[in-house]
Amino acid sequence: KQEVTQIPAALSVPEGENLVLNCSFTDSAIYNLQWFRQDPGKGLTSLLLIQSSQREQTSGRLNASLDKSSGRSTLYIAASQPGDSATYLCARREAGANNLFFGTGTRLTVIP
Amino acid sequence: NAGVMQNPRHLVRRRGQEARLRCSPMKGHSHVYWYRQLPEEGLKFMVYLQKENIIDESGMPKERFSAEFPKEGPSILRIQQVVRGDSAAYFCASSLQVNLYEQYFGPGTRLTVT
Repeated sequence: KQEVTQIPAALSVPEGENLVLNCSFTDSAIYNLQWFRQDPGKGLTSLLLIQSSQREQTSGRLNASLDKSSGRSTLYIAASQPGDSATYLCARREAGANNLFFGTGTRLTVIP
Repeated sequence: NAGVMQNPRHLVRRRGQEARLRCSPMKGHSHVYWYRQLPEEGLKFMVYLQKENIIDESGMPKERFSAEFPKEGPSILRIQQVVRGDSAAYFCASSLQVNLYEQYFGPGTRLTVT
């Protein structure tokens, strides 16, 4: 059974703090992993995509890593801002599969 | 370059009515995916389509739900005889190709069944 787990479910941090969001998955036959943010009542915005052959991807203040052997991915957000407040979702794609399997997300609140 | 478009954004239906949700993929994308997000749950895959073909419908409920992606026009997710349990956010995503490329999501359609 494929599972994607995100811990913690919710996180509050003061503005300016660096933080790490965790994503773990049970099956190492991963093709790629994608991080999204979802604002309340809105759609999903793709943040970073990591192919299975890659170890990390960076975009601005965001850095995502992938460790297939341990079944983990982390999203690092540097110098957090109130505008980063959202729910962050990770989703994995298995080799040969057509769809993404989503975690239930981490709800991040950055306090000004 | 417009992103993935979905309409309507909000849809209210009474029990027993039909709901039709539309999705226009990004320009140049020929792969469309539908996902459903039930209240307080994660997104779950429903169906994957290419133009005029359903490729994978392993996540679709067996009854009342259907999807199409015609040669011309948007992809349609159709729910017949809606029930309260169908209330959810329905998201459409598109990609350039199925494997190497990111899926880009639309803003979703929030269906409320009264």
